[in-house]
Amino acid sequence: DTAVSQTPKYLVTQMGNDKSIKCEQNLGHDTMYWYKQDSKKFLKIMFSYNNKELIINETVPNRFSPKSPDKAHLNLHINSLELGDSAVYFCASSQDTRQGEAFFGQGTRLTVV
Amino acid sequence: GESVGLHLPTLSVQEGDNSIINCAYSNSASDYFIWYKQESGKGPQFIIDIRSNMDKRQGQRVTVLLNKTVKHLSLQIAATQPGDSAVYFCAEGSMEYGNKLVFGAGTILRVKS
Repeated sequence: DTAVSQTPKYLVTQMGNDKSIKCEQNLGHDTMYWYKQDSKKFLKIMFSYNNKELIINETVPNRFSPKSPDKAHLNLHINSLELGDSAVYFCASSQDTRQGEAFFGQGTRLTVV
Repeated sequence: GESVGLHLPTLSVQEGDNSIINCAYSNSASDYFIWYKQESGKGPQFIIDIRSNMDKRQGQRVTVLLNKTVKHLSLQIAATQPGDSAVYFCAEGSMEYGNKLVFGAGTILRVKS
């Protein structure tokens, strides 16, 4: 009964490919997020959705596109992958838009070769 | 482990001692502050938060202190245990900036048995 689950846990792919990371939360939360953590452990928000509506969209290349089919799911599509996209991507959710007690998933380690 | 090669501040403490992890934040308009713990291979986990109108808050074995004058936040862990070994992040949030959380760089806590 994992609260926030992401798939896959590991993803190794070649430059130029298109890939997706899926996220689901079973907490009944209204808000979901995508974060990127680089090799120096620096954690930065990318996107935030509240009830399927985009509310935070940081300066992220438009190769990254989040999609929220319903409020329990927030998937991340990445087109034309580049070496610099290699990182750990975390999905998270919270009850409201205040990211107070956000619950994080286990992360997806993306390696672009 | 994952910390090899990372140039994050590291705090090494003996099991049973108290730990103090410090954080300097940047936005004097931040409304709340949160401490997260990230164990190896896992997502960040909420520990404790504090609103900007408070200067101290206590949880189970943890205390957060906020000094708005010098924009400084600290996390005190009492009777540190091996299971406390992790990377600790402070984060600041502001309603003015859409409740977007901004994370600090992280501190590695190593507990020696």
